[in-house]
Amino acid sequence: GAGVSQSPSNKVTEKGKDVELRCDPISGHTALYWYRQSLGQGLEFLIYFQGNSAPDKSGLPSDRFSAERTGGSVSTLTIQRTQQEDSAVYLCASSVGPGVGYTFGSGTRLTVV
Amino acid sequence: AQTVTQSQPEMSVQEAETVTLSCTYDTSESNYYLFWYKQPPSRQMILVIRQEAYKQQNATENRFSVNFQKAAKSFSLKISDSQLGDTAMYFCAFTSTGNQFYFGTGTSLTVIP
Repeated sequence: GAGVSQSPSNKVTEKGKDVELRCDPISGHTALYWYRQSLGQGLEFLIYFQGNSAPDKSGLPSDRFSAERTGGSVSTLTIQRTQQEDSAVYLCASSVGPGVGYTFGSGTRLTVV
Repeated sequence: AQTVTQSQPEMSVQEAETVTLSCTYDTSESNYYLFWYKQPPSRQMILVIRQEAYKQQNATENRFSVNFQKAAKSFSLKISDSQLGDTAMYFCAFTSTGNQFYFGTGTSLTVIP
């Protein structure tokens, strides 16, 4: 597609439920990233996929968070047993290389009630 | 560890005037990339300008320019002829490997008509 697409745009879930957030990167972009942006904060790195290499999961805050990327394209970020502190905007970005910079999606605003 | 610091949480500027946003970073790397991103209320992160550390010439994109001082590890953004559409959060970002971008906490810029 022309840009990075994320769905849903907004998600309200009850504490303890699992959620899945989807990211469809720009076609041909081999690198895909997930970031979390809490209210009034900067961007917190979560996970990085590059081609067929093992992902860099060093930013995942707990084992309730996981992500996969199927076929080198679409990625899903899963949060199990959601907590109120998981409420944030989850941003996905893709890139062809580090020097070019990211193209971001519009994010998913997750609210855990 | 890489860190990015934006010391101005909020700034304002009169329409048509010039404003400079500050950013400093800390790294032991010799080659890296620096970026400024804009995030309007729509939440979409938009790449404003990029700078390659090995290039001494300051990057320029229309009304946006940077003052890159490698020795001082400073990377400020100058916006000339400010427009109402420039109202947004501005994030400074750094990467050396592309595995992860490091973002500052952002500067909220308001352009006053």
